[in-house]
Amino acid sequence: QSALTQPASVSGSPGQSITISCTGTSSDVGSYNLVSWYQQHPGKAPKLMIYEGSKRPSGVSNRFSGSKSGNTASLTISGLQAEDEADYYCCSYAGSSTNWVFGGGTKLTVL
Amino acid sequence: EVQLVESGGGLVQPGGSLRLSCAASGFTFSSYEMNWVRQAPGKGLEWVSYISSSGSTIYYADSVKGRFTISRDNAKNSLYLQMNSLRAEDTAVYYCARDGGYDYEDAFDIWGQGTMVTVSS
Repeated sequence: QSALTQPASVSGSPGQSITISCTGTSSDVGSYNLVSWYQQHPGKAPKLMIYEGSKRPSGVSNRFSGSKSGNTASLTISGLQAEDEADYYCCSYAGSSTNWVFGGGTKLTVL
Repeated sequence: EVQLVESGGGLVQPGGSLRLSCAASGFTFSSYEMNWVRQAPGKGLEWVSYISSSGSTIYYADSVKGRFTISRDNAKNSLYLQMNSLRAEDTAVYYCARDGGYDYEDAFDIWGQGTMVTVSS
């Protein structure tokens, strides 16, 4: 099972909005509404930011939002802050034979 | 506080074995499905293995099937990963991660701090 496709890097200035795409196939992103997004700061464990495509866990800022269209999921961060600078990974459930597949990760730089 | 703490990582020669442990606290461990996820140095995340809350259902990534064995002891609130026939490409930080269950379906909501496994001669 190939990894989901994410851009290697994105950047934005404080206060701006950015969107990170996550492209899969009809076997994973396109088949299940079970895309999750994780934020990872250097040397730290990943943190769940979005689940079931668009839902935010308690405690996660409403500046983070998720969506899906066909085989592509997206994470949007509005009102960029310096603390948002991190790596972001998407993940999709892909059925009982493959289970979970991650994207390659996107490095977000806040200029 | 809900917490997962991994241990057991280290340096091992190719072909060797290692057993990772993950100690859970702050929640009812026996009610949750659990996973191992790894991250090679400078690389992305890779799902490795899943175990159901009772231990009756287990899945593995193709890259570790036949070499790794996941298990759990609900009485000890612990998750394990027995790694045999280790290869250089198994070098990674290994995280245990809780499945969010009914709250966060099929998402990994709690992660440990990770334990480093280095396979090298």
